[in-house]
Amino acid sequence: NAGVTQTPKFQVLKTGQSMTLQCAQDMNHEYMSWYRQDPGMGLRLIHYSVGAGITDQGEVPNGYNVSRSTTEDFPLRLLSAAPSQTSVYFCASRLVPQGAMNTEAFFGQGTRLTVV
Amino acid sequence: AQTVTQSQPEMSVQEAETVTLSCTYDTSESDYYLFWYKQPPSRQMILVIRQEAYKQQNATENRFSVNFQKAAKSFSLKISDSQLGDAAMYFCAYRNLNTGTASKLTFGTGTRLQVTL
Repeated sequence: NAGVTQTPKFQVLKTGQSMTLQCAQDMNHEYMSWYRQDPGMGLRLIHYSVGAGITDQGEVPNGYNVSRSTTEDFPLRLLSAAPSQTSVYFCASRLVPQGAMNTEAFFGQGTRLTVV
Repeated sequence: AQTVTQSQPEMSVQEAETVTLSCTYDTSESDYYLFWYKQPPSRQMILVIRQEAYKQQNATENRFSVNFQKAAKSFSLKISDSQLGDAAMYFCAYRNLNTGTASKLTFGTGTRLQVTL
């Protein structure tokens, strides 16, 4: 099973450049999300989506855009990269729980992004 | 807003010994989930164990167990018979049940566990 696939695994950008981090899952999960991981700060939610065509902001959305045109894909766009966006980015997906059912989040392997 | 606190940035344990990682959280909700994730050097986030707040019994997964104290809002992870492969960053995480489809994970800042011979 592929699970959650993120590309690329590593990326170096110059300040002001744009790029898209790709995330795809093959588990038919409704819920997808993007986190960034910074030293001493854990993982913080950037954006999330509860289904195709539905997205919402998380804790740290500034500088990032998302869209969800299909169930499988949830790309994260940096329109004008800044050094403060140097981080490790994780995509995660899970089934939307029915009632009290606890559904596990599956994570991609992360993208290490450096903005110089 | 919910917060998760891990007060131990680093811990060390000898192989075959037992170690406990601490986690406290703050919430006004009564129904929620708690998780421990392991992140080895490969960066992969691996679910170690999870606990439903409505269950009084502490969760156990092989050498991993939790001490869930709901009134104290405490959720510690105990690793027994520590192995070299347990060396990793460990994150405690919270998810609110009652926000339904929009419920999201809130993470602590992590504890780096070293395992020594």
